[in-house]
Amino acid sequence: GENVEQHPSTLSVQEGDSAVIKCTYSDSASNYFPWYKQELGKRPQLIIDIRSNVGEKKDQRIAVTLNKTAKHFSLHITETQPEDSAVYFCAAPWGKTGGGADGLTFGKGTHLIIQP
Amino acid sequence: EPEVTQTPSHQVTQMGQEVILRCVPISNHLYFYWYRQILGQKVEFLVSFYNNEISEKSEIFDDQFSVERPDGSNFTLKIRSTKLEDSAMYFCASSFQIHSGQYNEQFFGPGTRLTVL
Repeated sequence: GENVEQHPSTLSVQEGDSAVIKCTYSDSASNYFPWYKQELGKRPQLIIDIRSNVGEKKDQRIAVTLNKTAKHFSLHITETQPEDSAVYFCAAPWGKTGGGADGLTFGKGTHLIIQP
Repeated sequence: EPEVTQTPSHQVTQMGQEVILRCVPISNHLYFYWYRQILGQKVEFLVSFYNNEISEKSEIFDDQFSVERPDGSNFTLKIRSTKLEDSAMYFCASSFQIHSGQYNEQFFGPGTRLTVL
């Protein structure tokens, strides 16, 4: 199955600065890469995802980049705010069905701390 | 906005007992999943379910686990004989597939915290 590595495990940035979280994956056939945000005691929520036919996707202060050759993808958060403090998980398809039947393999998570 | 719901929010059980965790996926979704998250660790895939049968299951989903969609709204995870190491947060998720072979967002429920004593 897919193996996803995520770095760093903890990231502390000053409010207003940018944060970058990186993930690598093992299966070159993987073609869907979501990012989830999980606040303490809450459910994971999708914040952005990217499919392998594009190299970058942006949504306001959040962007994701994908390098299929190197098998890594990154989450970029600009102009960080206190409410960005949470654990962020990257993920890739667990299986090979290529669609909804696939579960997700998650990275170990990055605890993002926004310092006021 | 529709949400996935789960009950109970917290379940405490004795080792060796059976537990059933319940989920109500979003009503027009077709794919259902169970994940678990041991405290402080990553979310781990257990099983996916479509058209009333298991689509995929991980190595964690052994013979102690089973899933069922007993009616048109509920989706359950049963653990037959709980072990201490089953203690975790269990998340249900669902997704609506628009096109065959395309991934769509998985919406997670709030989780059930299972504590095995």
